[in-house]
Amino acid sequence: NAGVTQTPKFRVLKTGQSMTLLCAQDMNHEYMYWYRQDPGMGLRLIHYSVGEGTTAKGEVPDGYNVSRLKKQNFLLGLESAAPSQTSVYFCASSWTGGGGNIQYFGAGTRLSVL
Amino acid sequence: DQQVKQNSPSLSVQEGRISILNCDYTNSMFDYFLWYKKYPAEGPTFLISISSIKDKNEDGRFTVFLNKSAKHLSLHIVPSQPGDSAVYFCAASARSGGSNYKLTFGKGTLLTVNP
Repeated sequence: NAGVTQTPKFRVLKTGQSMTLLCAQDMNHEYMYWYRQDPGMGLRLIHYSVGEGTTAKGEVPDGYNVSRLKKQNFLLGLESAAPSQTSVYFCASSWTGGGGNIQYFGAGTRLSVL
Repeated sequence: DQQVKQNSPSLSVQEGRISILNCDYTNSMFDYFLWYKKYPAEGPTFLISISSIKDKNEDGRFTVFLNKSAKHLSLHIVPSQPGDSAVYFCAASARSGGSNYKLTFGKGTLLTVNP
C-alpha cells in the first residue's frame, strides 16, 4: 500500500543546477499538489493540478515548473536552483475538492542548494 | 497575510493529561477545517476534520471544536500519550470555482508529551 511516493528523498545541488522531483500516487486521485516547508513557515503551496494535463500556480510558484503528463505522476522541476530553494518538498494528492479535501502526503524530499 | 494562525509554536504536557492545540483564522469563506500530524522525517498525516456547519467532531481521543463567531478552532487530545508528540498543523479550505481543492496551512505547533 504505497500511497504517495516521492523520489529522491535527499538531494544536494549547486547553485544553477537543475533537477526534477518525482511524485507518484497509486490511489487514482485526481488532484495533486507540491508544497515546500521551511522552518517557521508551515506548508506553502507551489503548484497544483486538478487533473491529467492540467497545472496551476499556487502561493509560491516562482523558480519552479511542473508537469502532469500521467494521472499518477506529478513532476516538480527546478531549472536553475538557488540557495533560497533549500527546503523540504512535499507532494500530496486528493480525490477531488469535496468533503474537506483530505490530502495524502508523501514522505518528503530534503533539498539543499549550495 | 496569514489566514490561518497557530500562535503557539510549542506545547508541553504530561502523559495522561489533556492537550489543547489552538488555531485562529481570518477568512470567513473557509468552510472546512482539518488537523494534520507530522512526525520528523515523515509527511503530514490527516488526523481529523470538521465542517463549518458543525461545532464539534470527535474521533477516539481526538476532538475538534469550532467556534465560527470567534473564527477559532481547537484540537483536544485526551488522554495525551508520548506517541502523540509531533507537529500539528491546522488547515482550512474554501470553496472556489465549485470545489475546494486548496488547503491553507498554519505554521504548526510542536506538541511534546512527557512520560
